[in-house]
Amino acid sequence: GAVVSQHPSRVICKSGTSVKIECRSLDFQATTMFWYRQFPKKSLMLMATSNEGSKATYEQGVEKDKFLINHASLTLSTLTVTSAHPEDSSFYICSARDGFNLPLHFGNGTRLTVT
Amino acid sequence: SQKIEQNSEALNIQEGKTATLTCNYTNYSPAYLQWYRQDPGRGPVFLLLIRENEKEKRKERLKVTFDTTLKQSLFHITASQPADSATYLCALPYSSASKIIFGSGTRLSIRP
Repeated sequence: GAVVSQHPSRVICKSGTSVKIECRSLDFQATTMFWYRQFPKKSLMLMATSNEGSKATYEQGVEKDKFLINHASLTLSTLTVTSAHPEDSSFYICSARDGFNLPLHFGNGTRLTVT
Repeated sequence: SQKIEQNSEALNIQEGKTATLTCNYTNYSPAYLQWYRQDPGRGPVFLLLIRENEKEKRKERLKVTFDTTLKQSLFHITASQPADSATYLCALPYSSASKIIFGSGTRLSIRP
């Protein structure tokens, strides 16, 4: 149980375009989802926390207009990278929490390459 | 501010030996600590959670200790195997406890 599906696994886009990444909890209701970014050989950097039905809370230094997060249902959160630039190229990972229960369940990540 | 450190960026050991990874934290007292495994190009997978009132927890060949005085957790893999090669991350709840932050990870390599 506790499966989180993240899609797409890889995406290549041109500079200036927008990319949407989906994160779904398949067998539980995720009241809270987290979005992380990971650079090569580095740890996960928390970008934002999203709660179903409310605005996401962004970490310091993360541009909310650049990284749009929507958590419209208890099983789906989306991250849209708007007007992508090469420096946005990274590995983006979502995770979901079943209520206040632990642990976090992670998707398998999305490798974004902006050319 | 709260800080998590995993002292070894990489650790290489011989198959069959015990691998010991360290996680130190400063400036707060978390109610629990978690360890995750991450393989290249994949999301982290949960391994163990230990609470502040627990000194030690075991799961098969894995053992975690939690010393709240030293502000340190040790993660042990006994009888290590090449399949144990991965990056291991410790994770702690942030101040509000609603979010989790991760250490920088230790890349463990087990050589046959």
